[in-house]
Amino acid sequence: DAKTTQPTSMDCAEGRAANLPCNHSTISGNEYVYWYRQIHSQGPQYIIHGLKNNETNEMASLIITEDRKSSTLILPHATLRDTAVYYCIALYSGNTPLVFGKGTRLSVIA
Amino acid sequence: GAGVSQSPRYKVAKRGQDVALRCDPISGHVSLFWYQQALGQGPEFLTYFQNEAQLDKSGLPSDRFFAERPEGSVSTLKIQRTQQEDSAVYLCASSLGRRSSYEQYFGPGTRLTVT
Repeated sequence: DAKTTQPTSMDCAEGRAANLPCNHSTISGNEYVYWYRQIHSQGPQYIIHGLKNNETNEMASLIITEDRKSSTLILPHATLRDTAVYYCIALYSGNTPLVFGKGTRLSVIA
Repeated sequence: GAGVSQSPRYKVAKRGQDVALRCDPISGHVSLFWYQQALGQGPEFLTYFQNEAQLDKSGLPSDRFFAERPEGSVSTLKIQRTQQEDSAVYLCASSLGRRSSYEQYFGPGTRLTVT
């Protein structure tokens, strides 16, 4: 699985969009980009995943660059409940062991 | 419906004791994963089952760690002769296990403290 690089921490004002970047320059053609988050004292939670096209669901949007070397997770209207560690993971299948890395600690501020 | 449950939620063990951590996956989920999360770190993979078969145990840190899933449902992670470095949160996740399945569902974890 390709290595991913994320900023250690970010702040976002409540109600604003949170844009979380991820670099995955060595990603191969059939590796997906997955995002999970972990709220304090809880297990990780799946957010979204994509291969080439941009994706959107009820939680977030995922923008993947054309060369697939980086992506951005967008939480359109961040709330205090979105404060968590966000993990970007590159892998061939969601049904395989996840390699989490250190993630980005997002703090949403009132 | 019920999610993944784990028990106990908290466990304190004296160094040298054996512990058993239980995971109840979502009903019908074929795949089951165990992860270990040290304080301030991301979860790290320990082992993986498909039904009752343990397909990958490459992440188990030592032969003191043993996992089983005898009937392809509930799983138990056993740690023998616990050491202080075993203190961590142990997370269990399950998924449908189909080739197209993409989401792992995590339990709340068991926090193990070895004193």
